[in-house]
Amino acid sequence: GEDVEQSLFLSVREGDSSVINCTYTDSSSTYLYWYKQEPGAGLQLLTYIFSNMDMKQDQRLTVLLNKKDKHLSLRIADTQTGDSAIYFCAESIGDYKLSFGAGTTVTVRA
Amino acid sequence: EAQVTQNPRYLITVTGKKLTVTCSQNMNHEYMSWYRQDPGLGLRQIYYSMNVEVTDKGDVPEGYKVSRKEKRNFPLILESPSPNQTSLYFCASSLSQDTGELFFGEGSRLTVL
Repeated sequence: GEDVEQSLFLSVREGDSSVINCTYTDSSSTYLYWYKQEPGAGLQLLTYIFSNMDMKQDQRLTVLLNKKDKHLSLRIADTQTGDSAIYFCAESIGDYKLSFGAGTTVTVRA
Repeated sequence: EAQVTQNPRYLITVTGKKLTVTCSQNMNHEYMSWYRQDPGLGLRQIYYSMNVEVTDKGDVPEGYKVSRKEKRNFPLILESPSPNQTSLYFCASSLSQDTGELFFGEGSRLTVL
């Protein structure tokens, strides 16, 4: 989606932290999301953050939201081989509509 | 098991031959949607439905039709497929927009020759 931008590729060493960045355009978005797509599968919701929050932590995942800059990031601590996937950033636009970024392919190398 | 089921998972067809991709969910979700995924473009919404007999166009509806006669089913119809509709298609459903969690099917890879 043209309204949400993210880098296309990220390579990270196993055990290091991964940081995936995303910028969005709709300042009225209520929720921002990270979805994960494993090879040959559909997307699964990984985590989401409400627009009035700055940070959300869930085990190895940390989401940071900078509303002023319309910047969202996902940090994965202690990255494992099972974290290799495509990660999509998405913003809510109105009712029942999500705008997705192009997806960041994360490759975890030993 | 709660799931969204799409069929077929893979299909190769020829230009102009009508086809239907079925989608069924067993979670009693009101909202259903179709997306296509293309390299470098992410997911783009084709059509969505907020309830039975209520459908609306997404961002890229041209060349597609949908219907929502029952809550659980939301088929995607390509009346006259063309090569530019070669793509990976995903059906998704959601109970509400409160959290925006979409449940996705496993995808249907369509090739139009």
